[in-house]
Amino acid sequence: DAGVIQSPRHEVTEMGQEVTLRCKPISGHNSLFWYRQTMMRGLELLIYFNNNVPIDDSGMPEDRFSAKMPNASFSTLKIQPSEPRDSAVYFCASSSTGATGELFFGEGSRLTVL
Amino acid sequence: AQSVSQHNHHVILSEAASLELGCNYSYGGTVNLFWYVQYPGQHLQLLLKYFSGDPLVKGIKGFEAEFIKSKFSFNLRKPSVQWSDTAEYFCAVGSGGYQKVTFGTGTKLQVIP
Repeated sequence: DAGVIQSPRHEVTEMGQEVTLRCKPISGHNSLFWYRQTMMRGLELLIYFNNNVPIDDSGMPEDRFSAKMPNASFSTLKIQPSEPRDSAVYFCASSSTGATGELFFGEGSRLTVL
Repeated sequence: AQSVSQHNHHVILSEAASLELGCNYSYGGTVNLFWYVQYPGQHLQLLLKYFSGDPLVKGIKGFEAEFIKSKFSFNLRKPSVQWSDTAEYFCAVGSGGYQKVTFGTGTKLQVIP
């Protein structure tokens, strides 16, 4: 079975550019989470969706960040404009509420903003 | 709001030493508890989980954890670590109808051969 698929795996961009990260959750999972991992702050929950609806976006750092889930098999996290402090590894994870919260993580997207 | 505290940020052990990593959480309601492991350069993987029942849970690779409700703790243990256990370990709490999962800051374990 395919796991959670994220793209791109690595992205290097310049400050001010728009960045779009993509995630395809495991088929049948109805919850999707975006996390950001940095050395300084560890693993932070940015936003999560249930049945394609955003439930809690209180972790989104600021208005430069936005996330969408147009259907059950696709989600995007967009940063516009990007800044050097956004450099991090962004993980997408999915779960089935029937599985009581166990998360399945993607490989992550490593973002470097110069 | 729920939160998770991991007391040790960096632990160095020799092979065959025993391991205990501390985890405390704060949340007033029913929770599900997890330990995840992240090997160097990889994504997080589930090590073990507690939903209900026996508070002593066993996971993969000889790891176990004990849920002590009165102490809001879920400490991870392994009697004898191996070099291959070198990784970062995250405690996590899931709660609420949508199972929001919050992670601790992680503990980096380095096992010296």
